Amino acid sequence: ILNVEQSPQSLHVQEGDSTNFTCSFPSSNFYALHWYRWETAKSPEALFVMTLNGDEKKKGRISATLNTKEGYSYLYIKGSQPEDSATYLCAFLQGGSEKLVFGKGMKLTVNP
Amino acid sequence: EAGVVQSPRYKIIEKKQPVAFWCNPISGHNTLYWYLQNLGQGPELLIRYENEEAVDDSQLPKDRFSAERLKGVDSTLKIQPAELGDSAVYLCASSFGTSGRTDTQYFGPGTRLTVL
Repeated sequence: ILNVEQSPQSLHVQEGDSTNFTCSFPSSNFYALHWYRWETAKSPEALFVMTLNGDEKKKGRISATLNTKEGYSYLYIKGSQPEDSATYLCAFLQGGSEKLVFGKGMKLTVNP
Repeated sequence: EAGVVQSPRYKIIEKKQPVAFWCNPISGHNTLYWYLQNLGQGPELLIRYENEEAVDDSQLPKDRFSAERLKGVDSTLKIQPAELGDSAVYLCASSFGTSGRTDTQYFGPGTRLTVL
Protein backbone atom coordinates (compact mmCIF):
# COMPACT_ATOMS: atom_id res chain seq x y z
CA ILE A 1 0.00 0.00 0.00
CA LEU A 2 1.47 3.34 -1.07
CA ASN A 3 1.73 5.97 1.64
CA VAL A 4 1.50 9.64 0.75
CA GLU A 5 1.81 11.88 3.79
CA GLN A 6 1.18 15.58 4.04
CA SER A 7 2.25 17.81 6.89
CA PRO A 8 1.08 19.73 8.69
CA GLN A 9 -2.56 18.62 8.44
CA SER A 10 -3.76 22.16 9.07
CA LEU A 11 -2.21 25.57 9.39
CA HIS A 12 -3.53 28.93 10.53
CA VAL A 13 -1.45 31.95 9.52
CA GLN A 14 -1.84 35.69 9.37
CA GLU A 15 -2.11 37.59 6.12
CA GLY A 16 1.37 38.29 4.81
CA ASP A 17 2.98 35.23 6.40
CA SER A 18 4.79 32.79 4.14
CA THR A 19 3.91 29.13 4.47
CA ASN A 20 5.71 25.93 3.64
CA PHE A 21 4.23 22.46 3.65
CA THR A 22 5.48 19.01 2.80
CA CYS A 23 4.32 16.03 0.80
CA SER A 24 6.20 12.77 1.41
CA PHE A 25 5.96 9.81 -0.93
CA PRO A 26 7.84 6.58 -1.70
CA SER A 27 11.25 7.38 -3.18
CA SER A 28 11.39 4.22 -5.29
CA ASN A 29 9.88 3.96 -8.74
CA PHE A 30 8.76 7.60 -8.90
CA TYR A 31 6.90 8.82 -11.98
CA ALA A 32 5.06 12.07 -11.20
CA LEU A 33 3.70 14.26 -8.42
CA HIS A 34 0.60 16.42 -8.77
CA TRP A 35 -0.40 19.35 -6.55
CA TYR A 36 -4.01 20.53 -6.28
CA ARG A 37 -5.71 23.40 -4.50
CA TRP A 38 -9.28 22.89 -3.28
CA GLU A 39 -11.34 25.79 -2.02
CA THR A 40 -14.50 25.03 -0.08
CA ALA A 41 -17.56 24.53 -2.32
CA LYS A 42 -15.42 24.69 -5.47
CA SER A 43 -13.65 22.18 -7.71
CA PRO A 44 -10.11 21.04 -6.95
CA GLU A 45 -7.78 23.08 -9.15
CA ALA A 46 -4.56 21.70 -10.60
CA LEU A 47 -1.48 23.65 -9.57
CA PHE A 48 1.51 21.66 -10.78
CA VAL A 49 2.55 18.35 -12.32
CA MET A 50 6.16 17.58 -11.43
CA THR A 51 8.21 14.80 -12.96
CA LEU A 52 11.94 15.54 -12.68
CA ASN A 53 14.13 15.45 -9.59
CA GLY A 54 15.07 19.03 -8.73
CA ASP A 55 12.06 20.48 -10.54
CA GLU A 56 10.90 23.84 -9.29
CA LYS A 57 7.62 25.27 -10.54
CA LYS A 58 5.98 28.59 -9.83
CA LYS A 59 2.50 30.03 -10.27
CA GLY A 60 2.16 33.55 -8.91
CA ARG A 61 3.02 33.46 -5.22
CA ILE A 62 2.91 29.66 -5.06
CA SER A 63 5.94 27.53 -5.86
CA ALA A 64 6.83 23.86 -5.49
CA THR A 65 10.03 21.87 -5.43
CA LEU A 66 10.59 18.16 -5.93
CA ASN A 67 13.16 15.73 -4.49
CA THR A 68 12.50 12.28 -5.88
CA LYS A 69 15.60 10.69 -4.35
CA GLU A 70 14.45 11.39 -0.80
CA GLY A 71 10.74 11.31 -1.57
CA TYR A 72 9.39 14.75 -0.79
CA SER A 73 7.94 17.86 -2.36
CA TYR A 74 7.56 21.27 -0.76
CA LEU A 75 4.77 23.71 -1.55
CA TYR A 76 5.58 27.28 -0.62
CA ILE A 77 3.23 30.28 -0.55
CA LYS A 78 4.88 33.67 -0.30
CA GLY A 79 2.95 36.41 1.48
CA SER A 80 -0.24 34.43 2.11
CA GLN A 81 -3.55 36.15 1.39
CA PRO A 82 -7.02 35.24 2.69
CA GLU A 83 -7.91 33.97 -0.79
CA ASP A 84 -5.17 31.35 -0.41
CA SER A 85 -7.31 29.65 2.24
CA ALA A 86 -7.98 26.17 0.87
CA THR A 87 -7.00 22.54 1.18
CA TYR A 88 -3.81 21.69 -0.68
CA LEU A 89 -3.57 18.11 -1.92
CA CYS A 90 -0.61 16.25 -3.34
CA ALA A 91 -0.98 13.08 -5.40
CA PHE A 92 1.75 10.58 -6.24
CA LEU A 93 1.99 8.50 -9.38
CA GLN A 94 4.25 5.46 -9.29
CA GLY A 95 6.02 4.07 -12.32
CA GLY A 96 3.94 1.38 -14.00
CA SER A 97 0.72 2.66 -12.50
CA GLU A 98 -2.01 4.84 -13.96
CA LYS A 99 -3.55 5.65 -10.58
CA LEU A 100 -2.92 8.81 -8.54
CA VAL A 101 -2.58 8.21 -4.81
CA PHE A 102 -3.62 11.30 -2.87
CA GLY A 103 -2.49 12.51 0.51
CA LYS A 104 -5.08 13.60 3.05
CA GLY A 105 -4.53 17.25 2.28
CA MET A 106 -3.31 20.26 4.22
CA LYS A 107 -5.94 22.82 5.22
CA LEU A 108 -4.62 26.36 5.17
CA THR A 109 -6.51 29.23 6.79
CA VAL A 110 -5.18 32.74 6.25
CA ASN A 111 -6.61 35.30 8.67
CA PRO A 112 -6.87 38.91 7.50
CA GLU B 1 -14.44 26.79 -21.69
CA ALA B 2 -16.86 24.99 -19.39
CA GLY B 3 -15.31 22.87 -16.70
CA VAL B 4 -16.36 19.45 -15.50
CA VAL B 5 -20.04 19.54 -14.54
CA GLN B 6 -21.53 17.34 -11.85
CA SER B 7 -25.04 17.03 -10.56
CA PRO B 8 -26.56 17.05 -8.11
CA ARG B 9 -24.24 19.05 -5.84
CA TYR B 10 -25.89 17.70 -2.70
CA LYS B 11 -28.02 14.65 -2.08
CA ILE B 12 -29.63 13.36 1.10
CA ILE B 13 -31.23 9.93 1.06
CA GLU B 14 -32.25 7.25 3.49
CA LYS B 15 -30.27 4.03 3.69
CA LYS B 16 -31.27 1.29 1.28
CA GLN B 17 -32.42 3.86 -1.27
CA PRO B 18 -30.76 4.09 -4.70
CA VAL B 19 -28.86 7.18 -5.81
CA ALA B 20 -27.22 8.31 -9.04
CA PHE B 21 -24.63 10.95 -9.82
CA TRP B 22 -24.02 12.48 -13.22
CA CYS B 23 -20.85 13.90 -14.74
CA ASN B 24 -20.22 15.79 -17.95
CA PRO B 25 -16.49 16.04 -18.64
CA ILE B 26 -14.65 18.79 -20.48
CA SER B 27 -15.32 18.56 -24.21
CA GLY B 28 -12.69 16.50 -25.97
CA HIS B 29 -11.39 14.80 -22.84
CA ASN B 30 -11.05 11.08 -23.44
CA THR B 31 -10.39 9.95 -19.89
CA LEU B 32 -12.94 10.21 -17.10
CA TYR B 33 -12.44 9.36 -13.43
CA TRP B 34 -14.76 8.88 -10.49
CA TYR B 35 -13.26 9.43 -7.05
CA LEU B 36 -14.62 8.95 -3.55
CA GLN B 37 -13.53 11.30 -0.80
CA ASN B 38 -14.32 10.38 2.78
CA LEU B 39 -14.12 13.04 5.46
CA GLY B 40 -10.51 13.76 6.41
CA GLN B 41 -9.10 11.63 3.62
CA GLY B 42 -7.76 12.26 0.15
CA PRO B 43 -9.74 11.29 -2.94
CA GLU B 44 -9.58 7.59 -3.86
CA LEU B 45 -10.12 6.34 -7.38
CA LEU B 46 -13.25 4.28 -7.94
CA ILE B 47 -13.16 3.85 -11.71
CA ARG B 48 -11.33 5.20 -14.73
CA TYR B 49 -12.70 5.29 -18.27
CA GLU B 50 -10.78 5.71 -21.48
CA ASN B 51 -13.48 6.72 -23.92
CA GLU B 52 -16.34 4.31 -23.19
CA GLU B 53 -14.15 1.53 -21.77
CA ALA B 54 -13.69 1.06 -18.02
CA VAL B 55 -9.94 0.39 -17.86
CA ASP B 56 -9.61 0.36 -14.06
CA ASP B 57 -12.57 -0.52 -11.85
CA SER B 58 -10.61 -2.50 -9.29
CA GLN B 59 -11.65 -0.19 -6.43
CA LEU B 60 -15.35 -0.08 -7.33
CA PRO B 61 -17.48 -2.10 -4.86
CA LYS B 62 -19.37 -3.98 -7.52
CA ASP B 63 -22.01 -5.43 -5.23
CA ARG B 64 -23.70 -2.05 -4.89
CA PHE B 65 -21.89 0.40 -7.17
CA SER B 66 -22.16 0.61 -10.94
CA ALA B 67 -21.01 3.11 -13.51
CA GLU B 68 -21.43 3.70 -17.19
CA ARG B 69 -20.08 6.05 -19.79
CA LEU B 70 -22.23 5.61 -22.85
CA LYS B 71 -20.84 7.08 -26.06
CA GLY B 72 -17.65 7.98 -24.23
CA VAL B 73 -18.88 11.36 -23.00
CA ASP B 74 -21.18 11.73 -19.99
CA SER B 75 -20.97 9.28 -17.14
CA THR B 76 -23.29 8.11 -14.38
CA LEU B 77 -22.30 6.52 -11.08
CA LYS B 78 -25.01 4.62 -9.21
CA ILE B 79 -25.28 3.16 -5.74
CA GLN B 80 -28.01 0.64 -4.99
CA PRO B 81 -28.77 0.22 -2.18
CA ALA B 82 -26.97 3.01 -0.31
CA GLU B 83 -25.48 2.35 3.11
CA LEU B 84 -24.64 4.75 5.92
CA GLY B 85 -20.94 4.38 5.15
CA ASP B 86 -21.45 5.68 1.62
CA SER B 87 -21.81 9.24 2.96
CA ALA B 88 -18.94 11.06 1.26
CA VAL B 89 -18.07 13.42 -1.58
CA TYR B 90 -18.08 11.84 -5.05
CA LEU B 91 -15.77 13.64 -7.44
CA CYS B 92 -15.61 13.35 -11.20
CA ALA B 93 -12.51 14.37 -13.15
CA SER B 94 -11.45 14.28 -16.78
CA SER B 95 -8.20 14.54 -18.68
CA PHE B 96 -7.32 14.95 -22.32
CA GLY B 97 -5.11 11.95 -23.06
CA THR B 98 -5.61 8.23 -22.73
CA SER B 99 -2.71 8.06 -20.33
CA GLY B 100 -3.34 9.81 -17.04
CA ARG B 101 0.28 9.69 -16.06
CA THR B 102 1.23 13.33 -16.43
CA ASP B 103 -2.03 14.66 -17.84
CA THR B 104 -3.63 17.24 -15.63
CA GLN B 105 -6.89 15.97 -14.23
CA TYR B 106 -9.66 18.57 -14.14
CA PHE B 107 -12.16 18.06 -11.37
CA GLY B 108 -15.81 18.87 -10.98
CA PRO B 109 -17.16 20.35 -7.74
CA GLY B 110 -18.31 16.98 -6.46
CA THR B 111 -21.58 15.61 -5.12
CA ARG B 112 -21.88 15.50 -1.35
CA LEU B 113 -23.95 12.46 -0.41
CA THR B 114 -25.51 12.06 3.02
CA VAL B 115 -27.12 8.73 3.84
CA LEU B 116 -29.46 8.80 6.87
